[in-house]
Amino acid sequence: SQQGEEDPQALSIQEGENATMNCSYKTSINNLQWYRQNSGRGLVHLILIRSNEREKHSGRLRVTLDTSKKSSSLLITASRAADTASYFCATPPGGYNKLIFGAGTRLAVHP
Amino acid sequence: DTGVSQNPRHKITKRGQNVTFRCDPISEHNRLYWYRQTLGQGPEFLTYFQNEAQLEKSRLLSDRFSAERPKGSFSTLEIQRTEQGDSAMYLCASSPPDVGTSYGYTFGSGTRLTVV
Repeated sequence: SQQGEEDPQALSIQEGENATMNCSYKTSINNLQWYRQNSGRGLVHLILIRSNEREKHSGRLRVTLDTSKKSSSLLITASRAADTASYFCATPPGGYNKLIFGAGTRLAVHP
Repeated sequence: DTGVSQNPRHKITKRGQNVTFRCDPISEHNRLYWYRQTLGQGPEFLTYFQNEAQLEKSRLLSDRFSAERPKGSFSTLEIQRTEQGDSAMYLCASSPPDVGTSYGYTFGSGTRLTVV
């Protein structure tokens, strides 16, 4: 079964708008990671947030983590058509041995 | 060393045939992972190597699946007697020893398997 669940499953916005994706997970974690996948390609690591961090920024990306609610959010500001992709959250439950991925949010950014 | 390399990129095979995929990880990475991804879903964990040792296998990895990593370098994933349900993208990823603290996984572009 999936450890993480993203919400919404699909998101369609216009260029310049912000996109927010949410992720909920089930077990205690040491960190949470977000990945992007362009159609038919491998995944690209975007950002990692540790369990003792509440917010992290990387360029136009902002990630929050609420361990009390077992949830995380990914905000992409000033979106571009090139941001069109699927976004996945992933966690290493029980340690660092493997990542478990959610089903992803499919983001479409229209010019 | 520019990243994780997977070959072939695409494989079409007839049901019942055996197929083998190869993954070349980043040379400094001692951990190697195999995932399977079907359309519209997230990657599902299959198996994990640390150096040449296969440390964990998912229940998804039936007896028809076998993975090896001789000498702790490249890895192969073999599927015997393929079934139509094996059609998926097979992804390989690698990570350095301190994954989870400062690094994420580096994924290859995947091998798309179609069983006809």
